[in-house]
Amino acid sequence: NAGVTQTPKFQVLKTGQSMTLQCAQDMNHNSMYWYRQDPGMGLRLIYYSASEGTTDKGEVPNGYNVSRLNKREFSLRLESAAPSQTSVYFCASRYGGQETQYFGPGTRLLVL
Amino acid sequence: QQQVKQSPQSLIVQKGGISIINCAYENTAFDYFPWYQQFPGKGPALLIAIRPDVSEKKEGRFTISFNKSAKQFSLHIMDSQPGDSATYFCAASNNYQLIWGAGTKLIIKP
Repeated sequence: NAGVTQTPKFQVLKTGQSMTLQCAQDMNHNSMYWYRQDPGMGLRLIYYSASEGTTDKGEVPNGYNVSRLNKREFSLRLESAAPSQTSVYFCASRYGGQETQYFGPGTRLLVL
Repeated sequence: QQQVKQSPQSLIVQKGGISIINCAYENTAFDYFPWYQQFPGKGPALLIAIRPDVSEKKEGRFTISFNKSAKQFSLHIMDSQPGDSATYFCAASNNYQLIWGAGTKLIIKP
């Protein structure tokens, strides 16, 4: 099992450009999450999907959109990137009824 | 009320020593308190977790101490090793939504 995979690993964007971060899990988990990690701020939830077909906003959703494509895949889209979105983005998944979240390796995004 | 406050921000401990990281929370609805460990370039991974009906949980060299009345919990790493050097995050959960502390960068000096 690959667990949680994320692509790309690293990306540089110019202000105003758009991009989609991809996440997939092969653990048959119901719930999936997108976080951003900034120095000194821990992880902040952007969006989550409790199950296939549902998505909900987290703590910091502005400037982002998500799509739960199927049970395996959960993508995060930046429509018009801003320097404030420079961060490390983590995708995580969780099996229903269990607390443990399993994280991908992260995508490092730099917006110039 | 949703915040989880973690301290210290960074910690240097000699090999063989005890590392202690502290967290405090406000929301009494939290019912699950995990600690995650993150190595550079990797995602966080669950290290150990506790529920509020017990005051302590031990797994190998790692122990969580939980004080429900003070709304505080801490991670103790006994006999700290250089391989324990990582960033540690506490978190608190209500209805499966994790609220994270800011993280502690732990360095174990050989």
